[in-house]
Amino acid sequence: NAGVTQTPKFRVLKTGQSMTLLCAQDMNHEYMYWYRQDPGMGLRLIHYSVGEGTTAKGEVPDGYNVSRLKKQNFLLGLESAAPSQTSVYFCASSRAGHGEQYFGPGTRLTVT
Amino acid sequence: GNSVTQMEGPVTLSEEAFLTINCTYTATGYPSLFWYVQYPGEGLQLLLKATKADDKGSNKGFEATYRKETTSFHLEKGSVQVSDSAVYFCAGTYGGTSYGKLTFGQGTILTVHP
Repeated sequence: NAGVTQTPKFRVLKTGQSMTLLCAQDMNHEYMYWYRQDPGMGLRLIHYSVGEGTTAKGEVPDGYNVSRLKKQNFLLGLESAAPSQTSVYFCASSRAGHGEQYFGPGTRLTVT
Repeated sequence: GNSVTQMEGPVTLSEEAFLTINCTYTATGYPSLFWYVQYPGEGLQLLLKATKADDKGSNKGFEATYRKETTSFHLEKGSVQVSDSAVYFCAGTYGGTSYGKLTFGQGTILTVHP
């Protein structure tokens, strides 16, 4: 039981490049989330999904897109990376109706 | 809007000292409250939780009580260890448990010296 996994662990992009972060969970959770973590700001929700094929905007969605084609996967895309998107990105999942979330190990992204 | 606020600034303690990290929340509805811990280089792990007023969450010697009258959920531990050095986040779910969206405090860095 791997829990929540994220790939890649590290990535460096140039401004304007695109990339996709992959999150996978093997706990059969209905809900999945993408957060970014910046110093002194805690975690902020980017997008979330309450089920396969559905997504919704969180607190800071601009510049990101997501897709949930399979229940176990949640993809975060950056179409045109900007230095302001330099951050650590965390994926999380939870059961429907339960507040506690399970987090992946994070992806450290640097945009130069 | 809904918010969770933690005490500012890092906390530095000696081993076996008493720990308190303050957390307050806005009282829009009745959120479920959580403490998460993040060890260096890792993701967040749930430390403890409380879902209604007067509930006490506890785990690994840490405790926190959901106080409705003071809108607080302070984290305490009677005797900290070096291995407790980490970042601690207070969080709450607002809007019911229909999708469990968490609102986080800004995090408190705890360093414990031998």
